[in-house]
Amino acid sequence: QKEVEQDPGPLSVPEGAIVSLNCTYSNSAFQYFMWYRQYSRKGPELLMYTYSSGNKEDGRFTAQVDKSSKYISLFIRDSQPSDSATYLCAMSVRSNFGNEKLTFGTGTRLTIIP
Amino acid sequence: GAVVSQHPSWVICKSGTSVKIECRSLDFQATTMFWYRQFPKQSLMLMATSNEGSKATYEQGVEKDKFLINHASLTLSTLTVTSAHPEDSSFYICSARATGAGANVLTFGAGSRLTVL
Repeated sequence: QKEVEQDPGPLSVPEGAIVSLNCTYSNSAFQYFMWYRQYSRKGPELLMYTYSSGNKEDGRFTAQVDKSSKYISLFIRDSQPSDSATYLCAMSVRSNFGNEKLTFGTGTRLTIIP
Repeated sequence: GAVVSQHPSWVICKSGTSVKIECRSLDFQATTMFWYRQFPKQSLMLMATSNEGSKATYEQGVEKDKFLINHASLTLSTLTVTSAHPEDSSFYICSARATGAGANVLTFGAGSRLTVL
């Protein structure tokens, strides 16, 4: 069993729709959770990071963590064609995740249809 | 913001040759850089942690003699794929820690796509 499971998609939704992206994990030691966005042929860029269970909102993006279920989500409201990319979840055990090994999901390829 | 430059962005080489990929932090110093490998439709796999002035720390299953990492300065780390073979064809991405806004985050390079013929 992989430590982090993520549906690779592809996922296509019409512009303006709400997008829900999800990851599950098996390692209960994971405490810090991140979402990265990766455009084609580019490196990942950090979208959001969270620690505690619950929701964290940043503009059109909301990250949700449920540690009891080992389940995290990223919601995108009012989706735009520019949101079309691959979204990767990542997790780490310790807070200094700049120097900590990150475990990534496979990424979900998202396409927003105009 | 923090920028990590990776070069070359793509390279094609013949089997048996060696290829060097550079990773530079442009506006900050990076004591630690990370090298990842990404296959199509698969997640980023950490290959090694590159430490300035010391030997790299390799993940289990990654051949040290195959993937040579040098971190000679606080702004430059290099990955050399030695005696490359077609199975080494992949997308290689580096990252470095940047500090800002009260949080330590990783900044990724744009990646280098290696094709070995």
